[in-house]
Amino acid sequence: AQSVTQLDSQVPVFEEAPVELRCNYSSSVSVYLFWYVQYPNQGLQLLLKYLSGSTLVKGINGFEAEFNKSQTSFHLRKPSVHISDTAEYFCAANGGSNYKLTFGKGTLLTVNP
Amino acid sequence: GAGVSQSPSNKVTEKGKDVELRCDPISGHTALYWYRQSLGQGLEFLIYFQGNSAPDKSGLPSDRFSAERTGGSVSTLTIQRTQQEDSAVYLCASSFPGSPRGQYFGPGTRLLVL
Repeated sequence: AQSVTQLDSQVPVFEEAPVELRCNYSSSVSVYLFWYVQYPNQGLQLLLKYLSGSTLVKGINGFEAEFNKSQTSFHLRKPSVHISDTAEYFCAANGGSNYKLTFGKGTLLTVNP
Repeated sequence: GAGVSQSPSNKVTEKGKDVELRCDPISGHTALYWYRQSLGQGLEFLIYFQGNSAPDKSGLPSDRFSAERTGGSVSTLTIQRTQQEDSAVYLCASSFPGSPRGQYFGPGTRLLVL
């Protein structure tokens, strides 16, 4: 069975600092990977996705993620965060069938002034 | 264009009552999904529709839960004889089939069972 692990449940950072949110997956088959963001009392918004090709994926709001097959990781990064980036971030994977996304438990990013 | 919409946005019900949650997917998306988000369990897959058929219902937690989709569009998730542990946010998502372009989520229905 597929699983997704987000190693940090909470990450506090100061505004304009860089941030990395960690995600590891386990899968015995080809996998597609996603990062979603959830602002308070809202649904999930797709930030970026890795399907194939270049291992560095750029998404919206200045975020990027790097697929590392040998380490089974897909960490999310941003070089300089804003207060408005405060939200919960979810890493997700599926086995290429385009259904049944498996989510990590989420990482709450809090950006402080 | 319009995104995925869900109604109601909030629902408070008494234990034992039935509830219906509605999802209107993005136009042209033939695949539709229901997930549940709760504090203890995180985000859990419930059911997947391709058109009007549901090839994967494996995530439905009990036979009190059912879902249908009509006209390849709107879907309804029904919970019968609600229990307090059903309290959660129910999220609907839609996508194009056959290509993993990502699922697009609605704002969710926040269900509270008293």
